[in-house]
Amino acid sequence: AQRVTQPEKLLSVFKGAPVELKCNYSYSGSPELFWYVQYSRQRLQLLLRHISRESIKGFTADLNKGETSFHLKKPFAQEEDSAMYYCALRPIQGAQKLVFGQGTRLTINP
Amino acid sequence: DAGVTQSPTHLIKTRGQQVTLRCSPKSGHDTVSWYQQALGQGPQFIFQYYEEEERQRGNFPDRFSGHQFPNYSSELNVNALLLGDSALYLCASSRYSDNWNNEQFFGPGTRLTVL
Repeated sequence: AQRVTQPEKLLSVFKGAPVELKCNYSYSGSPELFWYVQYSRQRLQLLLRHISRESIKGFTADLNKGETSFHLKKPFAQEEDSAMYYCALRPIQGAQKLVFGQGTRLTINP
Repeated sequence: DAGVTQSPTHLIKTRGQQVTLRCSPKSGHDTVSWYQQALGQGPQFIFQYYEEEERQRGNFPDRFSGHQFPNYSSELNVNALLLGDSALYLCASSRYSDNWNNEQFFGPGTRLTVL
């Protein structure tokens, strides 16, 4: 079965504090993992993908196959990071289907 | 480029009715996927269209059907509407040739309410 779990529906941190949004997945093959973000009144957009191994807007995410996790991290939160974050898995490389988690609403307090 | 566009923005229907939602992909894209997002949930994959054919399908009943036109735009049809079909319906487009590194671009969604 393909499943993505984001255990926190809500996460609130202060500006300047570290942020970690948790994502665990269940999949028997080699997954592709993504983080999508939806800012207020904007559409869902790709934040980063594990194969790129890049940092976007200060966020990084490392795929841990042993723990089947793909947590999103940022060392110093900014107010503009407040948004809805979705972890997603693509079960078949090259295919279109994405399996999303329930999402975590991140609020950065000033 | 307006990106992915969807119409209508909102729709109210009653149980048993049929509905058609429309999507125009981002310029240069030829593949369209549809997702259903219930309140408080993440998007769920319905199906994907490429070259006017359904290529992949999620776990949705046959009441959900689609179509892709030669200009790559797409329609999602839902028959015999149920209250549980109330959701935000998202369309996403990508370029098939970029499959191994594709990025799906999402539209703003159509909010369907079934009464």
